[in-house]
Amino acid sequence: KQEVTQIPAALSVPEGENLVLNCSFTDSAIYNLQWFRQDPGKGLTSLLLIQSSQREQTSGRLNASLDKSSGRSTLYIAASQPGDSATYLCAVYNQAGTALIFGKGTTLSVSS
Amino acid sequence: SAVISQKPSRDICQRGTSLTIQCQVDSQVTMMFWYRQQPGQSLTLIATANQGSEATYESGFVIDKFPISRPNLTFSTLTVSNMSPEDSSIYLCSVDGLAANNEQFFGPGTRLTVL
Repeated sequence: KQEVTQIPAALSVPEGENLVLNCSFTDSAIYNLQWFRQDPGKGLTSLLLIQSSQREQTSGRLNASLDKSSGRSTLYIAASQPGDSATYLCAVYNQAGTALIFGKGTTLSVSS
Repeated sequence: SAVISQKPSRDICQRGTSLTIQCQVDSQVTMMFWYRQQPGQSLTLIATANQGSEATYESGFVIDKFPISRPNLTFSTLTVSNMSPEDSSIYLCSVDGLAANNEQFFGPGTRLTVL
């Protein structure tokens, strides 16, 4: 059974720092991997999707990498801002490429 | 992406009652999904809503408790039946098929509190 783990569970940084969020999964036979952002009491915003054949994706200050062989993905946030404060969720697609299996998330707090 | 809306955005309900949550997409989509996020937990898939046929439920979820409808390619409902306080959660619908890479997009969620 696929399990997704995110470390750390919480992270506090001062504004301007670069930071890395980690995601690991137990079954390397994934379809795709997707990173989301969730603001308190809100739905999910898709940040990046990495297809199983890709090694990384970039969007603005965000860069996500995927290493299927080691069962790991990282989300790199450059020059963090207070507006980046949110919970970041990593999710992998099941082998059918339909349902998402989520980690518990990393709650990020960026102070000004 | 597309605009995904859910109604209601939040509700407070009494034990033993039922609530129907609506999910509307402004584009036709192949797949619609319903997830639950219990307090302090991550998201868990309840079921896949199939257009024109019965929903496909994940282990631990049953149709009698969470009946789902999918009458067309832009709309789905999830009913939470005979509610108990343990059903207090955020319920989210998601869709894919909007992007070529099967990226999933989520609605804003429905925050349900059962007293």
